[in-house]
Amino acid sequence: AQRVTQPEKLLSVFKGAPVELKCNYSYSGSPELFWYVQYSRQRLQLLLRHISRESIKGFTADLNKGETSFHLKKPFAQEEDSAMYYCALRPTQGGSEKLVFGKGTKLTVNP
Amino acid sequence: EPEVTQTPSHQVTQMGQEVILRCVPISNHLYFYWYRQILGQKVEFLVSFYNNEISEKSEIFDDQFSVERPDGSNFTLKIRSTKLEDSAMYFCASSGDRGLVPYFGAGTRLSVL
Repeated sequence: AQRVTQPEKLLSVFKGAPVELKCNYSYSGSPELFWYVQYSRQRLQLLLRHISRESIKGFTADLNKGETSFHLKKPFAQEEDSAMYYCALRPTQGGSEKLVFGKGTKLTVNP
Repeated sequence: EPEVTQTPSHQVTQMGQEVILRCVPISNHLYFYWYRQILGQKVEFLVSFYNNEISEKSEIFDDQFSVERPDGSNFTLKIRSTKLEDSAMYFCASSGDRGLVPYFGAGTRLSVL
């Protein structure tokens, strides 16, 4: 079964502090992993895709197959980073196009 | 940037009534999806639609649910006889092709009373 776990429901940091949002997954094959962000009352927006290996808005995420993790990191958080963050997995076997989401982490960056 | 558009933003209905949630996917996209999020829970996959037919559906997507692409632009989710537990945020998404990233709409909040 495919599962995505985001252990922190809420995360609060101060502006300028490093932030790490945790994501662990369970999947028998090699998954495709994503981070989506949802700012207040707005749509889910793609933040990162692991195969792109890019940095968006200062965020990075590295796939660690040994630890089955895809944690999202930013060295210096900004107030505008406050949002809901969802980690998602897409199976690469069986032809499925569905995304399996974690429960999300609400990040609050305090001034 | 092109967007997936969902209407209405909030729908209130009585238990047992039929509702239709509407979505306009991004033009030229080929894959269409519905997801839902019950308050406090995770975003869950409902159904994917490609080439005018359902390509995948979850256990949640039972006979009470149906999807349709009635014309070249709209993609609808119908719930035939709503239950209290259908209250959720429903997200539409579309992607350009297999393997591409889905773009999500802002969602429709369905409240079943």
